[in-house]
Amino acid sequence: DAGITQSPRHKVTETGTPVTLRCHQTENHRYMYWYRQDPGHGLRLIHYSYGVKDTDKGEVSDGYSVSRSKTEDFLLTLESATSSQTSVYFCAISRGKTEAFFGQGTRLTVV
Amino acid sequence: DQQVKQNSPSLSVQEGRISILNCDYTNSMFDYFLWYKKYPAEGPTFLISISSIKDKNEDGRFTVFLNKSAKHLSLHIVPSQPGDSAVYFCAALGNFGNEKLTFGTGTRLTIIP
Repeated sequence: DAGITQSPRHKVTETGTPVTLRCHQTENHRYMYWYRQDPGHGLRLIHYSYGVKDTDKGEVSDGYSVSRSKTEDFLLTLESATSSQTSVYFCAISRGKTEAFFGQGTRLTVV
Repeated sequence: DQQVKQNSPSLSVQEGRISILNCDYTNSMFDYFLWYKKYPAEGPTFLISISSIKDKNEDGRFTVFLNKSAKHLSLHIVPSQPGDSAVYFCAALGNFGNEKLTFGTGTRLTIIP
């Protein structure tokens, strides 16, 4: 398995609270991605990073921010969680024009 | 705007027969395509990929075909096995400078024993 770890694996939080999900890699891959998976929508890109401190928005970035201060860590923050952000979140890593490897996912429930 | 589309949400195939999963894309800047398989409660796993300079790539039971003029790719699984039952996603990378990996909505494949 690719060295990619997501934490936490499960989280329940209240509406309006901030939440941070962590993705950690040991592969030294340049690219890191955050996706959410929802029924009928597949995997939708939230934000991605192409290097330390280099990030860009995906198709569903509203309400989310990211940071990458080290190659190995990519953090996804929900500034003020809403029920519409209840989802399964996946992190992925890649060297570029090749396959990406995914973490096991984080199931987030906003109540 | 969905740039990668999988128009069949589900597909059922008899064991031993061929499974064909389809994917269409709209952005002509995409130049690398991938297929992923996903089981419940797990992350997606890579299956096979194809560069836009090719029109076919094989890996065991899996073959991906690319038709650039139609902006269409397909994944063939022969012969289909019960363990192939999963959700399949196609994905695309483009010549945008940074490797933004875009996925389709997925097709749930069920292999009938």
